[in-house]
Amino acid sequence: KAGVTQTPRYLIKTRGQQVTLSCSPISGHRSVSWYQQTPGQGLQFLFEYFSETQRNKGNFPGRFSGRQFSNSRSEMNVSTLELGDSALYLCASSSGDRGGGYTFGSGTRLTVV
Amino acid sequence: SQKIEQNSEALNIQEGKTATLTCNYTNYSPAYLQWYRQDPGRGPVFLLLIRENEKEKRKERLKVTFDTTLKQSLFHITASQPADSATYLCALDGDSSYKLIFGSGTRLLVRP
Repeated sequence: KAGVTQTPRYLIKTRGQQVTLSCSPISGHRSVSWYQQTPGQGLQFLFEYFSETQRNKGNFPGRFSGRQFSNSRSEMNVSTLELGDSALYLCASSSGDRGGGYTFGSGTRLTVV
Repeated sequence: SQKIEQNSEALNIQEGKTATLTCNYTNYSPAYLQWYRQDPGRGPVFLLLIRENEKEKRKERLKVTFDTTLKQSLFHITASQPADSATYLCALDGDSSYKLIFGSGTRLLVRP
């Protein structure tokens, strides 16, 4: 079956702009999580959605937001981009049940200049 | 605060040997502990999950142990192959948290 699809794969934005990243989970998976990965901080949790409801949120500023649609697809938005937002943004899907592994997409590489 | 430690130095071993990676954590009581593999430029790939009431889990050449008293997990790859070369990440999943807390990962290099 198809894996987790993230678009776009690469993105270059200017400071102050905003960006929207998209994630299509595995068919049947209702949970979508977002993570930011940087060389200095590693993988950090942004937020998790299940059936269009945010169930948990990481310690990121309000410039980072997300949403999930009725078909489980998810988007995350970053407004007023800063240089420090340059990172690999990863989406992970799961069935939403506790105790299962997560399937990650290949990520969106965001560069802020 | 919650802290997960993995050996930041790369582990360099000979093909055919057993690789053992360590994950230590503090200030946390995870319900589950997971191991992932990540190749450069790709997302992590789920390998194994072990629950807090399990001591050991196996899958093919992989074995994970979980000691909640020591707050430590060991990840073993037996009969290692050059294709096993990657970064291996430990992740903790708390009860009802719906999020993973990742370690910084250990890079494994398997020499032919």
